[in-house]
Amino acid sequence: DIQMTQSPSAMSASVGDRVTITCRASQDISNYLAWFQQKPGKVPKRLIYAASSLQSGVPSRFSGSGSGTEFTLTISSLQPEDFAIYYCLQQNSYPRTFGQGTKVEIK
Amino acid sequence: EVQLVESGGGLVQPGRSLRLSCTASGFAFGDYALSWVRQAPGMGLEWVGFIKSQIYGGTTQYAASVEGRFTISRDDSNSIAYLQMNSLKTEDTAVYYCTRVSHSVSTGYSEGDYWGQGTLVTVSS
Repeated sequence: DIQMTQSPSAMSASVGDRVTITCRASQDISNYLAWFQQKPGKVPKRLIYAASSLQSGVPSRFSGSGSGTEFTLTISSLQPEDFAIYYCLQQNSYPRTFGQGTKVEIK
Repeated sequence: EVQLVESGGGLVQPGRSLRLSCTASGFAFGDYALSWVRQAPGMGLEWVGFIKSQIYGGTTQYAASVEGRFTISRDDSNSIAYLQMNSLKTEDTAVYYCTRVSHSVSTGYSEGDYWGQGTLVTVSS
């Protein structure tokens, strides 16, 4: 199975900060990666698919990049509603595997 | 409007069975693959399994943790997907979500463009 490792596991940031979350795959997954946001008590929401394609309706401050084994989710200017847990998901092969999550908290 | 509604969760004893349903509306159900994802209390997301559309054979894939115990099926005439869970264990306790899987030649199968609200399964004696 492909292992997905996210870093950091948690971080504190302020409104307006640029935030970067990294996801590393244990083997080449091309660009078959998605990013999800989950707020407490809520359903996960897909932000990015195919590593860099922005899901319809998602603000443009979110962007994804990378291919192969290293991927990045960037929030260009953190907003109050962005405090949440972020997960990556490899969609290259089965079984699919999620990263362990990155909790973005208010500094 | 695309909607996915899970049902069938509840309290069940270890070793028993439970069947979850995912009722879809607002899109051509038969044209899409579907996945199930679960989340144990206070934990991260875990992919459970996947079923292709009948157009592509309706084949299934499962996580190792549920392989041989869980079965995903679909009833396209009623726009329902099912997750049959047998030989349940306490570690299967989680909120279970169904998700729609988008597909294209360039992106492959990509889970999670739409999610249901989830249904809680508690396995306990």
